[in-house]
Amino acid sequence: DADVTQTPRNRITKTGKRIMLECSQTKGHDRMYWYRQDPGLGLRLIYYSFDVKDINKGEISDGYSVSRQAQAKFSLSLESAIPNQTALYFCATSDFQSGQGGGDTQYFGPGTRLTVL
Amino acid sequence: GDSVTQMEGPVTLSEEAFLTINCTYTATGYPSLFWYVQYPGEGLQLLLKATKADDKGSNKGFEATYRKETTSFHLEKGSVQVSDSAVYFCALISSGSARQLTFGSGTQLTVLP
Repeated sequence: DADVTQTPRNRITKTGKRIMLECSQTKGHDRMYWYRQDPGLGLRLIYYSFDVKDINKGEISDGYSVSRQAQAKFSLSLESAIPNQTALYFCATSDFQSGQGGGDTQYFGPGTRLTVL
Repeated sequence: GDSVTQMEGPVTLSEEAFLTINCTYTATGYPSLFWYVQYPGEGLQLLLKATKADDKGSNKGFEATYRKETTSFHLEKGSVQVSDSAVYFCALISSGSARQLTFGSGTQLTVLP
């Protein structure tokens, strides 16, 4: 079984609808992240969480919210979807390595392709 | 702020050709540097990393050396295979970033038989 899973894998919705993307991990990591990928722009960080009680905004948090329900679960919500939120969304996890000089490896889920019409 | 600049693609090579994908960065302090790879229809996975200057990361025949003097982390492979066709992302974590990855825009590599 995959260590980081995302549901749904594909979703088509309409402008104004509320959408939730879910992420679960079995790696036992404290840190979880949500990114979006757009062609030619790489991945950009939306939100991140270092533990259940810690939620932080990333580079592009406007229009998004998150919930960290447990160490293993981190959900991303679009309260009122708009067409420019059409993108590929990735969840990732990492385990803080104090002796790694910041070289924490992030482990990514397979992605959710969201289309907003 | 932190930034990563990668050579633009797409890159198309014949099997067994030499590969170089250029990556330069701007960051505070002493960042850790990464190459991630994304195969078609999949999420990103770590290919290699280097956490201090002059370190060389290597994996699956790919190599990259952390060059602080030129702020670069170029990816190389001596002989590419069709199975190396993917999108490659250079990324960094800097000391001032609360462990957030900053990605380059990605380089699409296609290897033809």
